[in-house]
Amino acid sequence: DVKVTQSSRYLVKRTGEKVFLECVQDMDHENMFWYRQDPGLGLRLIYFSYDVKMKEKGDIPEGYSVSREKKERFSLILESASTNQTSMYLCASGDWLAYEQYFGPGTRLTVT
Amino acid sequence: TQLLEQSPQFLSIQEGENLTVYCNSSSVFSSLQWYRQEPGEGPVLLVTVVTGGEVKKLKRLTFQFGDARKDSSLHITAAQPGDTGLYLCAGAAPFGNEKLTFGTGTRLTIIP
Repeated sequence: DVKVTQSSRYLVKRTGEKVFLECVQDMDHENMFWYRQDPGLGLRLIYFSYDVKMKEKGDIPEGYSVSREKKERFSLILESASTNQTSMYLCASGDWLAYEQYFGPGTRLTVT
Repeated sequence: TQLLEQSPQFLSIQEGENLTVYCNSSSVFSSLQWYRQEPGEGPVLLVTVVTGGEVKKLKRLTFQFGDARKDSSLHITAAQPGDTGLYLCAGAAPFGNEKLTFGTGTRLTIIP
């Protein structure tokens, strides 16, 4: 079974703090994704990566950056957290040929 | 921009009843996935449909891909409380990259 893990289930940070969310997958997938999920807005893609050190912006990259130094690990960075970044953050991975994505359990981030 | 509209947005029915939820778009997709998400968890992949007109069954769940590959439906027979959750459809663009377009979801509640 594919396993995607995220570093924290719940996180509370203050405005202006730098926040790191980490994601690890164990299926040797090429593609990894970061989404945020908000009521009424669905899943929105922040960034994705199709290879080590490669990244592409998704639909809402502003205020975020990412890092992929190893194939199994994809990090989302909030350079200076703001209250409008309070959300559920979901990481996913998928292989090169299939469009199926496998999600982690999510991190519920609250910025106060 | 490809959009996927799901209907209904909310559905609450009694245990044992049948139901159908819909996923519609004006765009063609090369494949379409259905996910179920329980509260506080990440989405879990249920099925992928690829061929226009394709029907797949997963126990009491029947998934159909439209002939033109623009829409899909999920039918649940004899719903059970364990079917409660947020159902998301997601489509992959033809000749596109690895990104998926997600629908906004149908929140299903089965009342015992």
